[in-house]
Amino acid sequence: KQEVTQIPAALSVPEGENLVLNCSFTDSAIYNLQWFRQDPGKGLTSLLLIQSSQREQTSGRLNASLDKSSGRSTLYIAASQPGDSATYLCAVRLQGGSEKLVFGKGTKLTVNP
Amino acid sequence: KAGVTQTPRYLIKTRGQQVTLSCSPISGHRSVSWYQQTPGQGLQFLFEYFSETQRNKGNFPGRFSGRQFSNSRSEMNVSTLELGDSALYLCASSLRGPYYEQYFGPGTRLTVT
Repeated sequence: KQEVTQIPAALSVPEGENLVLNCSFTDSAIYNLQWFRQDPGKGLTSLLLIQSSQREQTSGRLNASLDKSSGRSTLYIAASQPGDSATYLCAVRLQGGSEKLVFGKGTKLTVNP
Repeated sequence: KAGVTQTPRYLIKTRGQQVTLSCSPISGHRSVSWYQQTPGQGLQFLFEYFSETQRNKGNFPGRFSGRQFSNSRSEMNVSTLELGDSALYLCASSLRGPYYEQYFGPGTRLTVT
């Protein structure tokens, strides 16, 4: 059974700091890994999608890496801003034809001005 | 292009009642998945529909059911509501296949009293 873990559960940093969020998964038989952002009481916003054959993806100040063999992904946020404060979730898409995503429980990020 | 829409956004129901939630996917997306999000369990997969057929189902009791219409809109129904059904219900749509991102709606907040 695939399990996804995100550490730390919460992180507080001063504005301008570069930071890394971690995601690990137990089964490397995945199609892809997707990072999401969730603001309080809201839905999920897709940030980055990394296919299993890729090593990293970049979008603006965000960079996500994937090491499928070790079951790890990181989300790097450069020059953090208060508007980056949210919960960040990673999810893996299992091989086998289903659209099902298995989610971690998220890292709650607070960026202090 | 309009995003995924969910109605209603908020619902308050009493134990024992039933409820129907609606999800309209992004235009052109024929795959719709449903998730339940609670503080304790995080995001858990409920079911997935494609071309009006349920393709995959999560580990939820039979009180949880769904369907998809020919225009790809989907509904989920929960009968005989229990207090533990209080949650944020999210739907996601995608172009079906392992290379595509999934896009989430804003969710329906269900409170059972």
